[in-house]
Amino acid sequence: EAGVAQSPRYKIIEKRQSVAFWCNPISGHATLYWYQQILGQGPKLLIQFQNNGVVDDSQLPKDRFSAERLKGVDSTLKIQPAKLEDSAVYLCASRTLKGQETQYFGPGTRLLVL
Amino acid sequence: GESVGLHLPTLSVQEGDNSIINCAYSNSASDYFIWYKQESGKGPQFIIDIRSNMDKRQGQRVTVLLNKTVKHLSLQIAATQPGDSAVYFCAESRTSYDKVIFGPGTSLSVIP
Repeated sequence: EAGVAQSPRYKIIEKRQSVAFWCNPISGHATLYWYQQILGQGPKLLIQFQNNGVVDDSQLPKDRFSAERLKGVDSTLKIQPAKLEDSAVYLCASRTLKGQETQYFGPGTRLLVL
Repeated sequence: GESVGLHLPTLSVQEGDNSIINCAYSNSASDYFIWYKQESGKGPQFIIDIRSNMDKRQGQRVTVLLNKTVKHLSLQIAATQPGDSAVYFCAESRTSYDKVIFGPGTSLSVIP
């Protein structure tokens, strides 16, 4: 089966600019996650969707970050405006609603804010 | 608060030797623990998991041990190979469907 797809793979922007990331989960996976992974650290959950509803966005900086999953499949994560400390890898993961518990991760988008 | 940490940031082992990566967790309510492997430029890859009602689980060349008394988790890799070189993360959650919290990671280097 195809894995989690993310694009772009790399992005370089200047601070105060906007950026958007796209994720296509594994077909049939109802749960989708966005993580932020700062260099040298473990991934940190930003937001969790179940179908097109938000389950947990407690660690999402809502003043500048937003995410949506309008049709319950693909998802986009946006940062507006970006700050230097947003430089990180943004990982998308998906999981089936029940049964198998494993989260499958995409390759991530590496963001550099200058 | 919840936290998951690792004892050693880096580990070097000779090819063919066994590797042991350790992890400490602080939330006694955690019920589900996972080990991930992350290679450079890739997302984390599931290796093995264990629930709190178990103290040992084996996979292919990997074994996870859980000691709830001291809140300690370890990953053992048998006959370590160059392809095992990566960063290894332990992660924990209250249930298998709850939010997963990752530790900071241990970098494993295999010496040929």
